[in-house]
Amino acid sequence: NAGVTQTPKFRILKIGQSMTLQCAQDMNHNYMYWYRQDPGMGLKLIYYSVGAGITDKGEVPNGYNVSRSTTEDFPLRLELAAPSQTSVYFCASKRTSGSYEQYFGPGTRLTVT
Amino acid sequence: QQQVKQSPQSLIVQKGGISIINCAYENTAFDYFPWYQQFPGKGPALLIAIRPDVSEKKEGRFTISFNKSAKQFSLHIMDSQPGDSATYFCAASIGGETSGSRLTFGEGTQLTVNP
Repeated sequence: NAGVTQTPKFRILKIGQSMTLQCAQDMNHNYMYWYRQDPGMGLKLIYYSVGAGITDKGEVPNGYNVSRSTTEDFPLRLELAAPSQTSVYFCASKRTSGSYEQYFGPGTRLTVT
Repeated sequence: QQQVKQSPQSLIVQKGGISIINCAYENTAFDYFPWYQQFPGKGPALLIAIRPDVSEKKEGRFTISFNKSAKQFSLHIMDSQPGDSATYFCAASIGGETSGSRLTFGEGTQLTVNP
């Protein structure tokens, strides 16, 4: 199993550009999450999904959108990039509501200039 | 609103020493308290976790102590090694599908173990 994979690893965007961060998992996990990690801070939840077709906002959803059309994939969309979105983005997944451990991907480092 | 507070921000210990990191939470509905370890350039990985029905959990050199009445929990790393140098995050979540089992993280502690 590859676990949780994220692409790209690094990206530089200009203000106002759009992009999609890709996340995929091959563990047949129902739950998936997007977090952002700013320097010296803990991870903040952006969006999460408890299954295909179901998404909900986390703590810091503004400026982002998600979709979950399959169990495996959970892309994160930035429509109008702003410098405040410069961060490291982590995707995570979890098996079911009865399990607790979240498995994290390697992250995408995004810089908006 | 910061629901999980972690201290210290950074910690330097000598090889063989004990590393102690503390966390305090506010929401009494939390029912799962994990610690994650993160190396530079990597995603966080689960180190050890505890449920509130026990006061201590030990796995090798790592121990979680949990004080429900004080709403505090801590990570103890015994016989700290240079390979333990990493950033450690405490977290808390509420189980169940309606909550999404979302993790609320502390700010992180950068641990350096000197040889």
